[in-house]
Amino acid sequence: SYELTQPPSVSVSPGQTARITCSGDALPKKYAFWYQQKSGQVPVLVIYEDNKRPSGIPERFSGSSSGTMATLTISGAQVEDEADYYCYSTDSSGNLWVFGGGTKLTVL
Amino acid sequence: EVQLVESGGGLVQPGGSVKLSCATSGFIFSGSAMHWVRQASGKGLEWVGRIRSRVNNYATVYSESVKGRFTLSRDDSKSTAYLQMNSLKTEDTAVYYCIVEGLFDYWGQGTLVNVSS
Repeated sequence: SYELTQPPSVSVSPGQTARITCSGDALPKKYAFWYQQKSGQVPVLVIYEDNKRPSGIPERFSGSSSGTMATLTISGAQVEDEADYYCYSTDSSGNLWVFGGGTKLTVL
Repeated sequence: EVQLVESGGGLVQPGGSVKLSCATSGFIFSGSAMHWVRQASGKGLEWVGRIRSRVNNYATVYSESVKGRFTLSRDDSKSTAYLQMNSLKTEDTAVYYCIVEGLFDYWGQGTLVNVSS
């Protein structure tokens, strides 16, 4: 089976830069997608295809990928960015998809 | 506008079965692969499986946790995807969502399946 590994938690102060990583063997060849999920809400896509931002997502959200690691960066994190963040990608065959375990971002 | 509406959830006894539906609109369903995702209360997102389009022979693939018990299907004439869930276990209790490959920004509200005696 394929796995994506994320840190369980990341904590920053308001205005600081938050970086959430996602590690997977297939990431050099497969895109990463990033979701934000606030308590009790449906997940929201904040980054697709490694580094593209959907319309309506603030510019402070950016994504990058290098080797086996994808990174979600929130530049100037705000209190309202507190949420769980999940990466989503597929294995080298493109058939099996998986979510990372999720990272709880605390901004305080 | 893309819309996804999941339905069919409810209370099911362990060992029972239920069939979920995902009614869609606003995109070319027949050309799209559909994923199913679930989330147990207080837990993370879990990919359940994917069904591809007709040109890809409606190929299906499942996570190890549901393989052999769950079956994906689709009716392109109705723009609807289905998830047949058999031999249900208490650990299958979750909210189930369908999402569209290539349109991962669209989610419905999900449907809750509660496996309990």
